[in-house]
Amino acid sequence: QAVLTQPSSLSASPGASASLTCTLRSDINVGTYRIYWYQQKPGSPPQYLLRYKSDSDKQQGSGVPSRFSGSKDASANAGILLISGLQSEDEADYYCMIWHSSSSVFGGGTKLTVL
Amino acid sequence: QVQVLQSGAEVKQPGASVKVSCKASGYSFTIYGINWVRQAPGQGLEWMGWISGYNGNTNYAQKFQGRVTMTTDTSTSTAYMEVRSLRSDDTAVYYCARGPPTVTENWFDPWGQGTLVIVSS
Repeated sequence: QAVLTQPSSLSASPGASASLTCTLRSDINVGTYRIYWYQQKPGSPPQYLLRYKSDSDKQQGSGVPSRFSGSKDASANAGILLISGLQSEDEADYYCMIWHSSSSVFGGGTKLTVL
Repeated sequence: QVQVLQSGAEVKQPGASVKVSCKASGYSFTIYGINWVRQAPGQGLEWMGWISGYNGNTNYAQKFQGRVTMTTDTSTSTAYMEVRSLRSDDTAVYYCARGPPTVTENWFDPWGQGTLVIVSS
C-alpha cells in the first residue's frame, strides 16, 4: 500500500470549492505529520502552495492566495487541500508530500479540472 | 529573487552517465540545502535525495543509493547531480529545488525549471 494516496482526478465548477484529499497509509498517523502541497501546471515545474500540520503549525507559500488552505480529517487519516472560489487558472496537478522515515514521499497527484 | 537555474536537456545512451547542474541565486547558498526530484513522462514526482549547501552532507533515497551522486560547488553556488548506468526508465525531467539546511524535515521551494534527460540508443 502506498504511503500517500490521492484520487487521480477531480472536477469542479468555477466559483465552487474543491477538496483534495491525501490519505496516509493506515499504519501512520496524519496527526504527526506536516503535509506539504504543491501545484504543477502543464509544462511547468511544481510550485509550493502551503504546509499544514495544525492550526498552530501551518504556513502559506509566498504569494499564494488565501483561498488555498490546508486542513486534516483525522477520522479519515487524511490531509486536505481546500481551494475555494475556483478559477480556471487553478486547473493543474496537485501533489501532497510528507517527510517519512528520513525520506520525502509524494502522493501520486490529483488532476483538478475546472469546468 | 530566489531562484535555481538548471542546465539544458541531455540525450544519453543506455549505460552512460549524466550530470545536471543547478545554480542558485538570490539567497545564501550555504544556509540551505538542495533537493533533486524527477518526473517520468506523464508520471508523478519522485524524490531522489538532498544535499547540504553548507557541508555537502547527503541523504539519498534508498532507490538511488549507489547510482546517484550529489555534489556542490560553494564558490559558484551550484549543485550537481550525476546519475550513472542510465537505463531507458531514467528518461525523465529532473528538477532541483531549494530545501532546508538540515534534513530532519524537508520542503521544496523554489523549484528549478527542470532538465529533460532522454535515455535512448
